[in-house]
Amino acid sequence: QQQVKQSPQSLIVQKGGISIINCAYENTAFDYFPWYQQFPGKGPALLIAIRPDVSEKKEGRFTISFNKSAKQFSLHIMDSQPGDSATYFCAASTSPGNRDDKIIFGKGTRLHILP
Amino acid sequence: ETGVTQSPTHLIKTRGQQVTLRCSSQSGHNTVSWYQQALGQGPQFIFQYYREEENGRGNFPPRFSGLQFPNYSSELNVNALELDDSALYLCASSWDRGQGELFFGEGSRLTVL
Repeated sequence: QQQVKQSPQSLIVQKGGISIINCAYENTAFDYFPWYQQFPGKGPALLIAIRPDVSEKKEGRFTISFNKSAKQFSLHIMDSQPGDSATYFCAASTSPGNRDDKIIFGKGTRLHILP
Repeated sequence: ETGVTQSPTHLIKTRGQQVTLRCSSQSGHNTVSWYQQALGQGPQFIFQYYREEENGRGNFPPRFSGLQFPNYSSELNVNALELDDSALYLCASSWDRGQGELFFGEGSRLTVL
């Protein structure tokens, strides 16, 4: 099963609040979990990524939490800002060299931060 | 260092026609992946090219085909266009088949009438 399920579909958060986006996967061979950010009219850009040997990774206001046993991972945006308004995609892939090592994307979460 | 560039940015075709989309990979990258992004959806993997050979294909029919050239640029060809082919087509480059960061272009918006 190659699917990555993402929720919620859309999210509205007050400026300064915490934005939380969740993803779940089926394929236990996945071992790389990136999050991409996409602004209107642009291609997705890598925001932050995690491998399953750690349970959390933090970069500035962005944190990935990873639960290997539950096959779930989430993105937390602390102190959310209007400039964070974008569509966020979780993704997953297997190790390079595997024929199925393509990156699989979730359906996306449209985040809007209220000023 | 130049980023990923795609052309054309927008195009309109009619059902049954054929289209070719082009992608120049980021300098130093030898792998190109193509994705289809329908409105309001996540990118769907079409196929990947690594050193001029196809290296994995998603659930797309054979009328979706591609090429990678010695300079690692790439083309996506779609024959017998259908209305459902209307989407943003994204090209992403990476080094050695990826699993690291994918660098996306801004896409080619295809409308099929």
